[in-house]
Amino acid sequence: NAGVTQTPKFRVLKTGQSMTLLCAQDMNHEYMYWYRQDPGMGLRLIHYSVGEGTTAKGEVPDGYNVSRLKKQNFLLGLESAAPSQTSVYFCASSASNTRFSYEQYFGPGTRLTVT
Amino acid sequence: AQSVTQLDSHVSVSEGTPVLLRCNYSSSYSPSLFWYVQHPNKGLQLLLKYTSAATLVKGINGFEAEFKKSETSFHLTKPSAHMSDAAEYFCVVKWTGGFKTIFGAGTRLFVKA
Repeated sequence: NAGVTQTPKFRVLKTGQSMTLLCAQDMNHEYMYWYRQDPGMGLRLIHYSVGEGTTAKGEVPDGYNVSRLKKQNFLLGLESAAPSQTSVYFCASSASNTRFSYEQYFGPGTRLTVT
Repeated sequence: AQSVTQLDSHVSVSEGTPVLLRCNYSSSYSPSLFWYVQHPNKGLQLLLKYTSAATLVKGINGFEAEFKKSETSFHLTKPSAHMSDAAEYFCVVKWTGGFKTIFGAGTRLFVKA
């Protein structure tokens, strides 16, 4: 049981390049999330999904796209990377969104640098 | 607007002394409250959560937190710090009836030998 895994762990992009971050979970969770973590700002929600085939915008969605074609996978895409997207990206999943089951499980993170 | 405030950006304690990490949130009906810990270059791990049962919540590694509705606080404590507790700690609040979850900015805990 690997929990939540993220690929890659590190990446350096030039401005304007594109890339996809992959998140996979093996806990059969319905909900999945992408966050970015910047110094002094905690985690901010980029996009989330409440089930296979669904996605929704979070707090800071601009410049990112997501897809959830399979329940276990949640992809985060950057179509044209900008230096402002330099950050650490975390994927998380949870069994549900109800009050008593809302524990989120986090992946190890992807450190992205855009030059 | 809903908000979560961690009152200290960093806290430094000596090994064996008590730890107090403070968290306040904006008042609202029935929040769920969480503390997560993040060790360097790692993901976040749940320490404990409050979801309207007992107001004193015990978590892993000897941590506990008390929900005080009148003070809208959820402070994290530990009686005796260990070197392995050095990490960043996040207070997280979810308000029922909505999807939104808000993370505090984090408190970095330093433990001196």
